[in-house]
Amino acid sequence: EAGVVQSPRYKIIEKKQPVAFWCNPISGHNTLYWYLQNLGQGPELLIRYENEEAVDDSQLPKDRFSAERLKGVDSTLKIQPAELGDSAVYLCASSSRTGSDEQFFGPGTRLTVL
Amino acid sequence: GQNIDQPTEMTATEGAIVQINCTYQTSGFNGLFWYQQHAGEAPTFLSYNVLDGLEEKGRFSSFLSRSKGYSYLLLKELQMKDSASYLCAVSQSRDDKIIFGKGTRLHILP
Repeated sequence: EAGVVQSPRYKIIEKKQPVAFWCNPISGHNTLYWYLQNLGQGPELLIRYENEEAVDDSQLPKDRFSAERLKGVDSTLKIQPAELGDSAVYLCASSSRTGSDEQFFGPGTRLTVL
Repeated sequence: GQNIDQPTEMTATEGAIVQINCTYQTSGFNGLFWYQQHAGEAPTFLSYNVLDGLEEKGRFSSFLSRSKGYSYLLLKELQMKDSASYLCAVSQSRDDKIIFGKGTRLHILP
């Protein structure tokens, strides 16, 4: 069974440029998460989806970040425009259900903003 | 408020035993997870505790005390490959949000 797939694995952009990340969760997993992880820190939730509905986006900086999960499967996370402080690893995870089920993480996208 | 505390770094010797502690304060409790994360890789699931007590899984065990807001991860017969960060994460019952601690970086010495 394929795990969570993310692309690209690495991205280098200049500040003020847009960037987009893609995630394909494990088949059948209804819950999808996007996290931001800085070096030496734990993952910080950006947004959580239940199927196609964003049920928790309280930590998403909506002035520059946006996300979508059309058809309740794949998801994209976009930053426009990117800032220097956005340099981090962006992790996507999925689980069968929210709350009590283990999350399966993708390999992440390492973003560097110059 | 919500808060999860765990030591930043720990060092142990190959073959020994190490205990990584985690204390939490959250808005309701729906379970506690431990994840392992090797440098440059994604976190992988180790354990889930929702009831008080010890859960053993091979060389790894996880303990929970809900009344004390406390958990620990016990690693026995340490191997070099156990060098990684260990993340404590709590599921809040109020909003089903899972909150991660900052992780404990474990160094194993030969």
